[in-house]
Amino acid sequence: DTGVSQNPRHKITKRGQNVTFRCDPISEHNRLYWYRQTLGQGPEFLTYFQNEAQLEKSRLLSDRFSAERPKGSFSTLEIQRTEQGDSAMYLCASSLHAVVNTEAFFGQGTRLTVV
Amino acid sequence: QKEVEQDPGPLSVPEGAIVSLNCTYSNSAFQYFMWYRQYSRKGPELLMYTYSSGNKEDGRFTAQVDKSSKYISLFIRDSQPSDSATYLCAMSAQGGADGLTFGKGTHLIIQP
Repeated sequence: DTGVSQNPRHKITKRGQNVTFRCDPISEHNRLYWYRQTLGQGPEFLTYFQNEAQLEKSRLLSDRFSAERPKGSFSTLEIQRTEQGDSAMYLCASSLHAVVNTEAFFGQGTRLTVV
Repeated sequence: QKEVEQDPGPLSVPEGAIVSLNCTYSNSAFQYFMWYRQYSRKGPELLMYTYSSGNKEDGRFTAQVDKSSKYISLFIRDSQPSDSATYLCAMSAQGGADGLTFGKGTHLIIQP
């Protein structure tokens, strides 16, 4: 296992279409996070899972966004009815949470362009 | 005032120089402090992970945390052109990446 894997790396879609991204975390990590990063800004937190349970969602995560982690391994992030403002890099990270949290490692991201 | 302030640069220095990158923050609940390096169109790569105040050294990199001043620093010794990237500070109250708050990042350029 070489790290967090995200697919696809790039996605171009027309406004109004639905898109889905996938994240495969580091295998022993039980926490998985989604972040969004726009040009010139740091990443912003969207949501995270511990195993299959979604524990927190940011107010940035509108109703058009949904994330799942059905078996506590990989996760998907779906955006419905995409808007131009959704264009960003979507980053996934994972960490191991036991008594304390360990450091989080990020994937290479999925760059979404909505035209 | 944003929770985490970081000068976006660009910061340009000659090869071999010592680089100092800094962030200030306002939330006294932050306990975990991280530095990530991000190359263009890539994901952030973890460089340093520290808990509470103090120093941590890893090769050419040294991270310093001063909680009393709400100020963190990353020093890079013997800087190389390959160090040219955006450096993001990040911090959280509980570790991991839940509630991780990032600075905007400082764009660093090492001139050969």
